[in-house]
Amino acid sequence: DIQMTQFPSSLSASVGDTVTITCRTSQGIGTSLNWYHQRPGQAPRFLIYSASSLQSGVPSRFSGSRSGTDFTLTISGLQPEDFGTYYCQQSFGMPLTFGQGTRLEIK
Amino acid sequence: QVHLVQSGADVKKPGSSVKVSCEASKSSFTSYGFSWVRQAPGQGLEWMGGFIPVYKNVKYSQKFQGRLTITADTSTNTVYMDLSSLTSEDTAVYYCAKDASATGDGSFLGWFESWGQGTLVTVSS
Repeated sequence: DIQMTQFPSSLSASVGDTVTITCRTSQGIGTSLNWYHQRPGQAPRFLIYSASSLQSGVPSRFSGSRSGTDFTLTISGLQPEDFGTYYCQQSFGMPLTFGQGTRLEIK
Repeated sequence: QVHLVQSGADVKKPGSSVKVSCEASKSSFTSYGFSWVRQAPGQGLEWMGGFIPVYKNVKYSQKFQGRLTITADTSTNTVYMDLSSLTSEDTAVYYCAKDASATGDGSFLGWFESWGQGTLVTVSS
């Protein structure tokens, strides 16, 4: 199975800040990396696919990038509604696997 | 975007089985991959398996092989997840999730545009 290491596991930031979350895969997966956002008590919401493509309707303050087996989610200009947990997920091979999540708290 | 509606919460005894349904709002659902993802209390997301109705292509995580069955009823646009030999470790919210697009070749796309609202399954004696 492809292992996903996501860091940091939690962070706290203020409205307007830029935050970065990293996901490292245990093997090369090309650009088959996706990001989701989940608020407490809600289902995950799809943000980014193929490492850097923004899902329709997702604000442009979200962006994704890749460097080898490191993938980054950046939120530029944090908004109050961005609190919650962010998950990366690889779609390169079965079984599909998720990172353990990054909990984002708004100060 | 396809709307997914899941069945309600359930409480099961250890050793029993649970069946959770997921109804899709669009009739073209047979071409898409549907997966089941679960989340134990306070934990992360775990992919369990997936099914593409038109190809009858099913994939299971090795972790659940032998006790997980995913099926679909194309007449009602509904996908089902059946998990047997339940233990307390299976207490979780179970989500169905739909691939963002159909690949057209029977393979799973593997990223999920639509999610059901989640179904809490509690396993307790």
